[in-house]
Amino acid sequence: EAQVTQNPRYLITVTGKKLTVTCSQNMNHEYMSWYRQDPGLGLRQIYYSMNVEVTDKGDVPEGYKVSRKEKRNFPLILESPSPNQTSLYFCASRLDRGAEAFFGQGTRLTVV
Amino acid sequence: GQQLNQSPQSMFIQEGEDVSMNCTSSSIFNTWLWYKQDPGEGPVLLIALYKAGELTSNGRLTAQFGITRKDSFLNISASIPSDVGIYFCAGRRSNDYKLSFGAGTTVTVRA
Repeated sequence: EAQVTQNPRYLITVTGKKLTVTCSQNMNHEYMSWYRQDPGLGLRQIYYSMNVEVTDKGDVPEGYKVSRKEKRNFPLILESPSPNQTSLYFCASRLDRGAEAFFGQGTRLTVV
Repeated sequence: GQQLNQSPQSMFIQEGEDVSMNCTSSSIFNTWLWYKQDPGEGPVLLIALYKAGELTSNGRLTAQFGITRKDSFLNISASIPSDVGIYFCAGRRSNDYKLSFGAGTTVTVRA
């Protein structure tokens, strides 16, 4: 089954404790991205990657890092999480620039 | 980044009613997408539009790519309880990898 898989689905952590949210897709898609969803703001792009070892900032990259060492994986790293990063996070992938995006099921992160 | 203006923000509708929502942009887009997000899930693509003026249906859903290329509309006919959720529009400009999203329309159906 074609899918985008995120882990964990839920995470509660403390301020400053480094964490990684994993994202994996099995569709051989080149393009992957991370979004955060906050009430009234819709989906805002954090980072995206056009291919292996090619990443770039989205609209709200501050406080986040990503890596793309393999085509299928695109982890999101929070080196020092803060409470304003409490949000619902989605990973998405698509075949190329013109294609529609497939989303993972989301990771609800709470930073206390 | 470019954000889209999506309206209405929320709606309460009676089962069986038709509903409409729209999305506008100050920029020209060459792709419009409509997604639905169920509670606790990620957005799922409903309809994709690639040409100005295009009208596409998916069951009870119909979406249109505006002639000006700066707007798009989604209609749901004869709404049912499972239509509950958040509907997002998304657009992409011609030389851009990024998708811009609207803030979403929350639909609640009264049985």
